[in-house]
Amino acid sequence: AQTVTQSQPEMSVQEAETVTLSCTYDTSESDYYLFWYKQPPSRQMILVIRQEAYKQQNATENRFSVNFQKAAKSFSLKISDSQLGDAAMYFCAYRLNNNNDMRFGAGTRLTVKP
Amino acid sequence: SQTIHQWPATLVQPVGSPLSLECTVEGTSNPNLYWYRQAAGRGLQLLFYSVGIGQISSEVPQNLSASRPQDRQFILSSKKLLLSDSGFYLCAWSVWDAYTEAFFGQGTRLTVV
Repeated sequence: AQTVTQSQPEMSVQEAETVTLSCTYDTSESDYYLFWYKQPPSRQMILVIRQEAYKQQNATENRFSVNFQKAAKSFSLKISDSQLGDAAMYFCAYRLNNNNDMRFGAGTRLTVKP
Repeated sequence: SQTIHQWPATLVQPVGSPLSLECTVEGTSNPNLYWYRQAAGRGLQLLFYSVGIGQISSEVPQNLSASRPQDRQFILSSKKLLLSDSGFYLCAWSVWDAYTEAFFGQGTRLTVV
């Protein structure tokens, strides 16, 4: 079975600084999609960014970008110019192209210090 | 536009009592449907997913069951709750295309006492 590992239970960053959240996954497949979700205190799950495994170019969404290393099965999230509103749980997720389930990591709780 | 409704938002149930959490999706047809559990301090654990009416895949053997009686309705049930069933339950839907993300409901906070 596919597994997703987030090795950092908690991270903190100073406002306006940059932070990187780590994610690794285990699969023997080559065609899949990766996602980062944000869960603020409201508990609503919000998609932050996605990456197609067949694309070598790293995805970027405004202040959020990923470092996708397919050979290493690594998918880290970089948040630049951190804002207080970025404080949340962040989940990495994985979905096979020929499968219907979506697997999540244990999450990283990000604290932003003013 | 598509919306997902999940209820109730909070629930306190005694040990041994039954459970029924309901999730419905509007604005789409034949969605993939998912039930996740988020235990305190832990990640999202996939419990069940469904690709069609009556089609349920169970990921973790446990005290819970799921049913999909209608295309856009997904129900999580238990005949007898355990203390370990406490947690935050999230329903989600997606289209079949793996490129598309899953969209989540607001969640149900279940406390078994």
